Amino acid sequence: GEDVEQSLFLSVREGDSSVINCTYTDSSSTYLYWYKQEPGAGLQLLTYIFSNMDMKQDQRLTVLLNKKDKHLSLRIADTQTGDSAIYFCAERTNNNAGNMLTFGGGTRLMVKP
Amino acid sequence: EPEVTQTPSHQVTQMGQEVILRCVPISNHLYFYWYRQILGQKVEFLVSFYNNEISEKSEIFDDQFSVERPDGSNFTLKIRSTKLEDSAMYFCASTNGNTGELFFGEGSRLTVL
Repeated sequence: GEDVEQSLFLSVREGDSSVINCTYTDSSSTYLYWYKQEPGAGLQLLTYIFSNMDMKQDQRLTVLLNKKDKHLSLRIADTQTGDSAIYFCAERTNNNAGNMLTFGGGTRLMVKP
Repeated sequence: EPEVTQTPSHQVTQMGQEVILRCVPISNHLYFYWYRQILGQKVEFLVSFYNNEISEKSEIFDDQFSVERPDGSNFTLKIRSTKLEDSAMYFCASTNGNTGELFFGEGSRLTVL
């Protein structure tokens, strides 16, 4: 079945760039997502990329997709303390009727002032 | 900005009791989902729903679970006889199926005692 893996933890200083990485196994992914979860809160859609793209930029966020290596990354430029949260990578496949998402375990980003 | 809303935000129940979690998806969306996140674990897919029927369900979604769209706006998850291990955050999500955007609600935290 599908599997999505992320490193558990990332610590950066305020103002630096953060890069959160994700690997997935299903080559039939249609979309790949990044969600942000603050403590006790829901899953906030940050950005997503269609599988035929290799890059997407949205303000401070840059998503890079290497489909050959099944590797996705999220770069946050000028990281702020408000960016501290858990970031989930997820893939959406088209090989089932429900188009469900498979999530990684989340990367906890800690931003130090 | 349109959003997925969920009620209640937190429910405490006794083991064996029935629970209904409610969701109002975004109004023009056609695909609806329930996911759950046990504390400290991955977000897991439960069920997807389209055209008034379940389109896919996971192994977690056993006979104790059911979903319904009783009217044009609500989408509910019922757990008939709750178990301790049902304690989790339950997330509703929706998408229109045409774009990649898949939005989650803030979640309903279920605590089974």
